[in-house]
Amino acid sequence: DVKVTQSSRYLVKRTGEKVFLECVQDMDHENMFWYRQDPGLGLRLIYFSYDVKMKEKGDIPEGYSVSREKKERFSLILESASTNQTSMYLCASSSTGTAMNTEAFFGQGTRLTVV
Amino acid sequence: AQSVTQLDSQVPVFEEAPVELRCNYSSSVSVYLFWYVQYPNQGLQLLLKYLSGSTLVESINGFEAEFNKSQTSFHLRKPSVHISDTAEYFCAVERTGGFKTIFGAGTRLFVKA
Repeated sequence: DVKVTQSSRYLVKRTGEKVFLECVQDMDHENMFWYRQDPGLGLRLIYFSYDVKMKEKGDIPEGYSVSREKKERFSLILESASTNQTSMYLCASSSTGTAMNTEAFFGQGTRLTVV
Repeated sequence: AQSVTQLDSQVPVFEEAPVELRCNYSSSVSVYLFWYVQYPNQGLQLLLKYLSGSTLVESINGFEAEFNKSQTSFHLRKPSVHISDTAEYFCAVERTGGFKTIFGAGTRLFVKA
């Protein structure tokens, strides 16, 4: 089974802290994604990566950055956490292959609270 | 660009009753369509998908969805729901040949005894 593992289920950070959210996948997927999930807004794409060291902005990249130094790992960085970044963060991965492979596999999520 | 609209934010229903969760999408190019389910305190998992061919697709736990190109809809249905179906359901769209998935706002299904 594909496994996408996020390093923390719950995090509490202070305003202004630098925060790292880590995500690892074990299926050699090319594509990795970071979403945030807020009630009534669904999943909004923050950043995605289609290859090592490659990154693309999603719909809401402001206040975030990402790093992909290895194929299996995709990190989301909050340079200076703010209370409006309190949210559930979901990592996902997918394969660039045939149409039959085109689905996203998700981690369990990290619920981040910024106080 | 693609977009997805889920027409109901919450759907309460009694156990063994039928349910329909509505989804409309917008796209100028051909797309793949998905329904994902999120059980409490878990990540999302794929429920079913439409890629091509038959417009009716089914999941292993009794859900089905029908792709309607003329109405740009992909509604999810189940003829008889169980308490265990209580979850949040997300409709999603992806451009054919692309890899970026766009999600709707989600529909919370509450199944009551």
